[in-house]
Amino acid sequence: GAGVSQSPSNKVTEKGKDVELRCDPISGHTALYWYRQRLGQGLEFLIYFQGNSAPDKSGLPSDRFSAERTGESVSTLTIQRTQQEDSAVYLCASSSGLLTGELFFGEGSRLTVL
Amino acid sequence: ILNVEQSPQSLHVQEGDSTNFTCSFPSSNFYALHWYRWETAKSPEALFVMTLNGDEKKKGRISATLNTKEGYSYLYIKGSQPEDSATYLCAFHDSSASKIIFGSGTRLSIRP
Repeated sequence: GAGVSQSPSNKVTEKGKDVELRCDPISGHTALYWYRQRLGQGLEFLIYFQGNSAPDKSGLPSDRFSAERTGESVSTLTIQRTQQEDSAVYLCASSSGLLTGELFFGEGSRLTVL
Repeated sequence: ILNVEQSPQSLHVQEGDSTNFTCSFPSSNFYALHWYRWETAKSPEALFVMTLNGDEKKKGRISATLNTKEGYSYLYIKGSQPEDSATYLCAFHDSSASKIIFGSGTRLSIRP
């Protein structure tokens, strides 16, 4: 597609439920990032994929969070047993992976955990 | 832990005035420094990606400088306009880890 696409745009769930967020990057972009923004805070790095290399998972806040990406295609971020502190906007971004490659962001998935 | 700091946290400027704000980042393992503009209800959009010490970039009324040896970058806006109201984010791309870490941003409001 023309840009980075994320779904769902809004998700309301009950505490303890699992949620899955999807990111469809720009075609040909080898690098894919997940960030989240909790209310009143900045962009927090979660995970980074580059081609077929092992992802950098150093930003995942707990083992309830996981993400997958097959090759250079769609990525899914899964949050198991959601907690209220997981409420945030989850942003996905992709880039060409080159030194001067800027990030192109999706519109985000707003997650609300009741 | 990578620390990317931006100051000030927020800024109110009269229309027509010029302004600038700062991003500080680690001076080691430098790979690139990014600037983004994030308008309300939109996604962040790239302004500049800077890679070389002494780099200066310009896009219209907005420009940026980079000092990798001392670990800071300045963003300048000349003749502020209402449409410049946004949060400006800088992001440090670390050569050792390849992840891109964002500062908390400077929220700019332009008074007509």
